This record gives sequence, structure tokens and C-alpha cells, in this order.
Amino acid sequence: RKEVEQDPGPFNVPEGATVAFNCTYSNSASQSFFWYRQDCRKEPKLLMSVYSSGNEDGRFTAQLNRASQYISLLIRDSKLSDSATYLCVVNKGNQGGKLIFGQGTELSVKP
Amino acid sequence: GAGVSQSPSNKVTEKGKDVELRCDPISGHTALYWYRQSLGQGLEFLIYFQGNSAPDKSGLPSDRFSAERTGGSVSTLTIQRTQQEDSAVYLCASSLDPGGRNEQYFGPGTRLTVT
Repeated sequence: RKEVEQDPGPFNVPEGATVAFNCTYSNSASQSFFWYRQDCRKEPKLLMSVYSSGNEDGRFTAQLNRASQYISLLIRDSKLSDSATYLCVVNKGNQGGKLIFGQGTELSVKP
Repeated sequence: GAGVSQSPSNKVTEKGKDVELRCDPISGHTALYWYRQSLGQGLEFLIYFQGNSAPDKSGLPSDRFSAERTGGSVSTLTIQRTQQEDSAVYLCASSLDPGGRNEQYFGPGTRLTVT
């Protein structure tokens, strides 16, 4: 079983749609959770950290369910510029600074 | 402020040659990471430096790979006797608080092609 699992997609949605990505992780000792965005042939960029109580940043909402070891990202009113691969990232629990990256979910927003 | 920088941005080398890739982390960031990403694949952890501690080398794929970090800042990843399967984008990241939130910020990467 992979340490971080995501649906690879692609998700093809029209502009203005709401889209949700899910991610599960295997290490119950993990303490830090993130969503990164990666555009084609570019480096990953931090989109948002995920906090236990859930958090929102504009059109983006992240949720964490520790009991189920599940993380989600909701994008509302999607824009063409949201087209990218979204990476679910989890720290390696008791191994300090190591982060484990999911394979990513590809999103394509169409006009 | 300045982000993570990497050089060169692209490197084409012949099989069997050695290459050096450089990373300049964000000023003040104590932790530095190297990853690689093959075409269409996820990020593969290579090595992690934190302050003066011994680096975590658990992700290095073979003894042809080595890295050092001088003065707690700049890092160099060296690949000896390159093979075609080493072709990938090599990404460096740095973090201010690896023991806490550990938000990592990436450089633009070095695209290595071994012919």
C-alpha cells in the first residue's frame, strides 16, 4: 500500500464547477499535512497547509479526518488557471522533516 | 524575498560522466531536501539536511549519488558515472521549521538528461 494515495484523475470540469480531491495516508503518526500544486514542467508550489479543524483560503477548503486518515481539498468556482496537478503531502510521522508526496490528481478546467 | 535557486536549469551529459547540481536555499532555512521526479512520476525523496545533524541519506538510490551541504547553506548533489535512468528533474526544497509545520519551498529544478 502506498503511504499517500490519491485518485490520479484526470478530472475534467467546466469553469465555475466545484471539484473535490481526496487523499488517504497510512502513517497514523503523521502530524503535518499539505496540498501542493504543480503546473506542467514546473516545481511544486505550496497551496495550503491542512489543519485539524479544517481551513479555508478563498475558493479552496481543506479538511482533515485523523480517525480515517483522510484529507480532502475542495475547489469552488473553478477557474481555467486552476488547471494543474494537485499533490497531497504528509510528513513521515516520527521521521522529522521527511515529507511523503502523493502521485497527484490532475485537474483540467475547460471553458 | 529570494526563493530557492538551483543551477544549472538544464544539463545534458553523456552516460558515464559525473555531474554536479547546486541548490541555494532560502536564507535562514535550516533544512534542505533533494528530490527527483521522473517524467510523469511523483516526487522521490533523496536526501535531507537539517542543521549540523548527520544527513538522512535513506532515499539515495545508489552509491553513485552523494550530496553535501557546506556552511549550512548551499548544497551540491553529485551523481557519478551517470546512467540513462538518472534522467529526471532534480528538485531542491528548503524549510524553516522542519520539526514543526515543515512547509517546504521548492526551487525550479535541474532537468538532467543522460544520453
